[in-house]
Amino acid sequence: ETGVTQSPTHLIKTRGQQVTLRCSSQSGHNTVSWYQQALGQGPQFIFQYYREEENGRGNFPPRFSGLQFPNYSSELNVNALELDDSALYLCASSLLEERANYGYTFGSGTRLTVV
Amino acid sequence: QKEVEQNSGPLSVPEGAIASLNCTYSDRVSQSFFWYRQYSGKSPELIMSIYSNGDKEDGRFTAQLNKASQYVSLLIRDSQPSDSATYLCAVYKAGTALIFGKGTTLSVSS
Repeated sequence: ETGVTQSPTHLIKTRGQQVTLRCSSQSGHNTVSWYQQALGQGPQFIFQYYREEENGRGNFPPRFSGLQFPNYSSELNVNALELDDSALYLCASSLLEERANYGYTFGSGTRLTVV
Repeated sequence: QKEVEQNSGPLSVPEGAIASLNCTYSDRVSQSFFWYRQYSGKSPELIMSIYSNGDKEDGRFTAQLNKASQYVSLLIRDSQPSDSATYLCAVYKAGTALIFGKGTTLSVSS
């Protein structure tokens, strides 16, 4: 059974640029969620995909967008990068069944630095 | 009021002592509750889940849930220096996603 993998592990971008982060879900999971974690803070929910449809979104602007593919892998896209977007971006997969959730498995994260 | 609140700490305990970590949540319809451990520079790791009122034990860890008080806690018995980390409380309700607190930093001194 493979875990959650994210790529790249580290990334440096310039303010105003666009970035795409990638995530492969754990085998057997049907839901993928993205979180932003700033230094010293808990993970902040960005959005969640279930069976390729966005089924939840946190308090993030539209320049944060995503996709989930038929194999349950996912992308997070951020346009017009700002300095405050510098953070650890975490992907988590889970198995959602009949509105119950059994816990999220996190990838190792992508450290994004915007300069 | 924040959805999930934790005391940020740091909480300092000597080796072998019991560490008690607390969390409150605001939404009464929350269904599932989790504790994650996060070492510095690493991603969160699930250590306990609890779904109904009462206690749940797993090795040195005990999670306690009181839905009437909207309170969930984590006890770590026989604390070890390797337990030094940030502990994140997370709450799930159907139709949303997992919502995290800011985390409590635990330091276990040898």
